[in-house]
Amino acid sequence: SQQGEEDPQALSIQEGENATMNCSYKTSINNLQWYRQNSGRGLVHLILIRSNEREKHSGRLRVTLDTSKKSSSLLITASRAADTASYFCATDASNDYKLSFGAGTTVTVRA
Amino acid sequence: NAGVTQTPKFQVLKTGQSMTLQCAQDMNHEYMSWYRQDPGMGLRLIHYSVGAGITDQGEVPNGYNVSRSTTEDFPLRLLSAAPSQTSVYFCASSYAGRTWGYTFGSGTRLTVV
Repeated sequence: SQQGEEDPQALSIQEGENATMNCSYKTSINNLQWYRQNSGRGLVHLILIRSNEREKHSGRLRVTLDTSKKSSSLLITASRAADTASYFCATDASNDYKLSFGAGTTVTVRA
Repeated sequence: NAGVTQTPKFQVLKTGQSMTLQCAQDMNHEYMSWYRQDPGMGLRLIHYSVGAGITDQGEVPNGYNVSRSTTEDFPLRLLSAAPSQTSVYFCASSYAGRTWGYTFGSGTRLTVV
């Protein structure tokens, strides 16, 4: 079974609004990563947060990690039409080298 | 610098046929992985490698074989194709050290009829 699960499955927002999606996971991790996938394309790495970090920023992206709750969130601020994509969290487990993905959140940004 | 190159981009196989999906990277990445993506299921790990000569099974390894004779190449072999293997396959690579994200190829869309 997959390690991470994203919530919600789908999200529709107006351009300029913020988008927040969550990821829950099951086992101890070394790091957690977020990826974006545009329709029909490969995945693009967005940000990596280590297990000893609580928050990380990259441009309009903000990621938080709560290891006690085994959860993470990705916030996209001031969304644009180009942010329309599927977003996946991936967990790098502590006890092996597997990178496991959740089922993703599909984000639609309306103009 | 081409990144991760997957070939072919599209393939149709008949049930029972075998084939090899190619994956090559030119970034000197130690880690390489193969995933399959099916609608609504995200990406599932098939096999992965932490260096040349070292491979291990992921979540869904049955029906697939891999080898890693060089750092650059990580081919995925379908031994006897089945309709359940119809999927989009992605190869990905990363530096070791677990502080970098993975670089993904553009995928191979495989249909087994």
